[in-house]
Amino acid sequence: GIQVEQSPPDLILQEGANSTLRCNFSDSVNNLQWFHQNPWGQLINLFYIPSGTKQNGRLSATTVATERYSLLYISSSQTTDSGVYFCAVDMAASKLTFGTGTRLQVTL
Amino acid sequence: DGGITQSPKYLFRKEGQNVTLSCEQNLNHDAMYWYRQDPGQGLRLIYYSQIVNDFQKGDIAEGYSVSREKKESFPLTVTSAQKNPTAFYLCASSRPGTGNLDEQYFGPGTRLTVT
Repeated sequence: GIQVEQSPPDLILQEGANSTLRCNFSDSVNNLQWFHQNPWGQLINLFYIPSGTKQNGRLSATTVATERYSLLYISSSQTTDSGVYFCAVDMAASKLTFGTGTRLQVTL
Repeated sequence: DGGITQSPKYLFRKEGQNVTLSCEQNLNHDAMYWYRQDPGQGLRLIYYSQIVNDFQKGDIAEGYSVSREKKESFPLTVTSAQKNPTAFYLCASSRPGTGNLDEQYFGPGTRLTVT
């Protein structure tokens, strides 16, 4: 099946810093989503981005489908950004395959 | 409010007992999914259903069963045959199609502990 790799696995930032999270996938995809999992386990939709670039406030994402990677940018990080960020892709039938996530801790 | 509800939030069972996890959605989505998450890991697909009265096995279906009698509901039964049932279970739904329609949305999850 399709492989999804996320990097870095762990990231510690000081509040106000910027960061880039990466997601590599091994095959062509129909769908790519970025999620933030908060400390209570809730998965929050960040972006639906099978290709191109999108921005939402301090967050933006870019997917280069031909090169099989996606990037999530977090600018001016805040402590509420802490949690785990997941990339998930699907090839067909809307079955998402998740990466193992990037655990982000933002400190004061 | 539209959304996905899962109940209960925490569930404790003795080994050997079957347990059913509830998932309800009022988003009018056709497709529903069950995922399992183990500590420090990503989510893995257990079962999915793209239409009422039809469902398919995901990557880790052994020891689980589902039903889809109503569009709004997709309960998951964790049977005694599941060797390691303790995990965080998440339900999702989507409206498969083109563009953003197949974006999946998740419920708050149920933490199951089996001792």
